[in-house]
Amino acid sequence: EAGVAQSPRYKIIEKRQSVAFWCNPISGHATLYWYQQILGQGPKLLIQFQNNGVVDDSQLPKDRFSAERLKGVDSTLKIQPAKLEDSAVYLCASSAPYAGLGGNEQFFGPGTRLTVL
Amino acid sequence: RKEVEQDPGPFNVPEGATVAFNCTYSNSASQSFFWYRQDCRKEPKLLMSVYSSGNEDGRFTAQLNRASQYISLLIRDSKLSDSATYLCVLYSGAGSYQLTFGKGTKLSVIP
Repeated sequence: EAGVAQSPRYKIIEKRQSVAFWCNPISGHATLYWYQQILGQGPKLLIQFQNNGVVDDSQLPKDRFSAERLKGVDSTLKIQPAKLEDSAVYLCASSAPYAGLGGNEQFFGPGTRLTVL
Repeated sequence: RKEVEQDPGPFNVPEGATVAFNCTYSNSASQSFFWYRQDCRKEPKLLMSVYSSGNEDGRFTAQLNRASQYISLLIRDSKLSDSATYLCVLYSGAGSYQLTFGKGTKLSVIP
């Protein structure tokens, strides 16, 4: 079974530039998540989609970050303009439809490592 | 108080040693608990769920103490391949099925 796909794997940009990341979840997974993982920290949820609707974007810096999942499958995360503190790994994860009290396992993609100079 | 707190380590242990990690959490409404493993420059992967009664998977044992709000992971007979960062993860439900990750504890198993 194919895992979560992400591209690009690495990106280096200068501050104030724009950047976009792409994610294709595991086939059939209705829920898609974008996380930001700064070096030495655990992943922090930025936004969660259920199909093509946003479930939670409370930690997304909406003045510069945006995300969409128009057809309920793949998703893009954009940063415009980037700041130095945006340097991090951006992880996409997906999970199957909710099936129990404990929630479902999230499967992570390999991430995009962003460096802002 | 941070929602999930872990000792960042690093824990440097010899092969064959037993090592334990603890994690404390602040949200008493947290419903489910997990340990994820993250290898260097790789994505996190689920290691095991943590149940109230405690659970074991081979050399790994997870414990949950709801009264004291802490979770533990015990690794017996450490292998070189156990070297990784271990992330304590909470699921708080409430409709959004969010996972909250700790910063992780780094383990290095030394030959």
